[in-house]
Amino acid sequence: GNSVTQMEGPVTLSEEAFLTINCTYTATGYPSLFWYVQYPGEGLQLLLKATKADDKGSNKGFEATYRKETTSFHLEKGSVQVSDSAVYFCALLTGNQFYFGTGTSLTVIP
Amino acid sequence: GAVVSQHPSWVICKSGTSVKIECRSLDFQATTMFWYRQFPKQSLMLMATSNEGSKATYEQGVEKDKFLINHASLTLSTLTVTSAHPEDSSFYICSASPGLGPYEQYFGPGTRLTVT
Repeated sequence: GNSVTQMEGPVTLSEEAFLTINCTYTATGYPSLFWYVQYPGEGLQLLLKATKADDKGSNKGFEATYRKETTSFHLEKGSVQVSDSAVYFCALLTGNQFYFGTGTSLTVIP
Repeated sequence: GAVVSQHPSWVICKSGTSVKIECRSLDFQATTMFWYRQFPKQSLMLMATSNEGSKATYEQGVEKDKFLINHASLTLSTLTVTSAHPEDSSFYICSASPGLGPYEQYFGPGTRLTVT
């Protein structure tokens, strides 16, 4: 079946620290992969995506590379800011349907 | 950018009553809307997909008579939880797509339902 597994939170980092949120997936076919971010009180927003193996999605300093060999799509940022505090969801799209991870809460402290 | 709103953001109701949640696309026409449910520390689970003017397509295991979905216009979809029970307490999230599929999807902020 199709599923997404992402690291459990919550994650707390100091400002300017390096961020990694792990995401692995199981899918039939060739899925597209996404990271969504949800700020408090708001809806999920697309952060970045990758549609095929070895693609790198990037946005706002965040990056994730579609690794087919390890079925992973880990989210990274070199230097987090307080404004990055949010919940991050990894997701895959296959067969016209989304499958989401459980979300990882990130808090960045000054 | 595309904005999707939900109303109410939080609702408490008594067992046996029905509650309606609205999902609106504010600045675009949504050909397709999706309803998700999220339990604490769990994934968003797709409940149903609705196209304007058509009956909703429910995912396996979702009771269509309990979760009534109406996509009456290109900017409004409603989810009615009928005869609510405490186990229906959850976070309900809608999303809307201007296309014919889920690839370009904009999410609402969610509605927290608590059934007492």
